[in-house]
Amino acid sequence: AQTVTQSQPEMSVQEAETVTLSCTYDTSESNYYLFWYKQPPSRQMILVIRQEAYKQQNATENRFSVNFQKAAKSFSLKISDSQLGDTAMYFCAFMKQYGNKLVFGAGTILRVKS
Amino acid sequence: DSGVTQTPKHLITATGQRVTLRCSPRSGDLSVYWYQQSLDQGLQFLIQYYNGEERAKGNILERFSAQQFPDLHSELNLSSLELGDSALYFCASSFPRGLRLAGAYNEQFFGPGTRLTVL
Repeated sequence: AQTVTQSQPEMSVQEAETVTLSCTYDTSESNYYLFWYKQPPSRQMILVIRQEAYKQQNATENRFSVNFQKAAKSFSLKISDSQLGDTAMYFCAFMKQYGNKLVFGAGTILRVKS
Repeated sequence: DSGVTQTPKHLITATGQRVTLRCSPRSGDLSVYWYQQSLDQGLQFLIQYYNGEERAKGNILERFSAQQFPDLHSELNLSSLELGDSALYFCASSFPRGLRLAGAYNEQFFGPGTRLTVL
């Protein structure tokens, strides 16, 4: 079974600064997908970024980028130029290739302060 | 807006009761997933349906059941409710018609959730 661990229950960052959220996972699969989801106070689940395990290049989406270390089973999210709207719970998630379910970590609450 | 709709938004009921949560997937999506988000268990996968058939099961209690209808909407039935069933229940959809089930990655689009409170 796969497990996803987010060791930071809460983090805070000043507006315009950079913050990194950590995630580690455990799997015996060689091909899989990793995700970061954002859940703002509205509770909507929003996909932030996706990484395919077979790709060595780290995924980026505007201010969001990941540091994917396959051997270490680590998948961190970097948010640059933090904005007040980034305040949310962030979930790291795993899905096997050809899989059908997302396995989520416990989440990290991120607060962006002005 | 993800295109996935869930009703009702909020549901308050008593222990021992039965409720039905409804989900309409994005237009054309064949697969529906149900997830539960609670303080105790976090976010966990319950069950998946694909084109009317159960495809995968997660940590779904025997008191819970689901189905997907010919028009592809899905219902999650929760019975003999307990205080611990209070949670946010999400539906997600994926697999547009015409795409192979065992093909490449398909993003799951989440609905807004149904907040269930059991008193």
